[in-house]
Amino acid sequence: DQQVKQNSPSLSVQEGRISILNCDYTNSMFDYFLWYKKYPAEGPTFLISISSIKDKNEDGRFTVFLNKSAKHLSLHIVPSQPGDSAVYFCAADENSGYALNFGKGTSLLVTP
Amino acid sequence: DAGVTQSPTHLIKTRGQHVTLRCSPISGHKSVSWYQQVLGQGPQFIFQYYEKEERGRGNFPDRFSARQFPNYSSELNVNALLLGDSALYLCASEDFEQFFGPGTRLTVL
Repeated sequence: DQQVKQNSPSLSVQEGRISILNCDYTNSMFDYFLWYKKYPAEGPTFLISISSIKDKNEDGRFTVFLNKSAKHLSLHIVPSQPGDSAVYFCAADENSGYALNFGKGTSLLVTP
Repeated sequence: DAGVTQSPTHLIKTRGQHVTLRCSPISGHKSVSWYQQVLGQGPQFIFQYYEKEERGRGNFPDRFSARQFPNYSSELNVNALLLGDSALYLCASEDFEQFFGPGTRLTVL
């Protein structure tokens, strides 16, 4: 039972444009959301997070938006760079403090 | 400053065998979590240990077990390996966020 869904397996964006990665969740008890980036042969790297009490969090080129009523979050990368090409995972936590629930990932390709 | 380390990086086993995977957390982190990532899927939570005690367990059979040592390093053990256990096994250590190691790629033939 997939509680975190990333319905786009892949996304291709031109360098300098905006990348928007989407994530939906079904468990209304999730209260903390994270995005991880993963390069081949490496573990996931924490990118940005957002608590359910906020609707936006920004860190440099990366912004995460949370729409609780729609159970939807998105990651915006502006401007996109070729080094951003990686698999992006959305994850959610039910205030357990330990068990992250991951989506299947979206493979982002940023072309020059 | 060393990150999370895991060993071995790759491992090939046959069905029915057992395997032990090892993880060393970031210095100062007392919590270690284990995840299984099957090809094409996101990581799936297996265990978390904090101060040598199991704090949480995911939906995995009893063939999977783990422990944490006084130095906070951890081992994941899988008995009676099945083909479906072939995956990337990720270890994460945590202070506030979870920081992942590079993983151990297990192939069961």
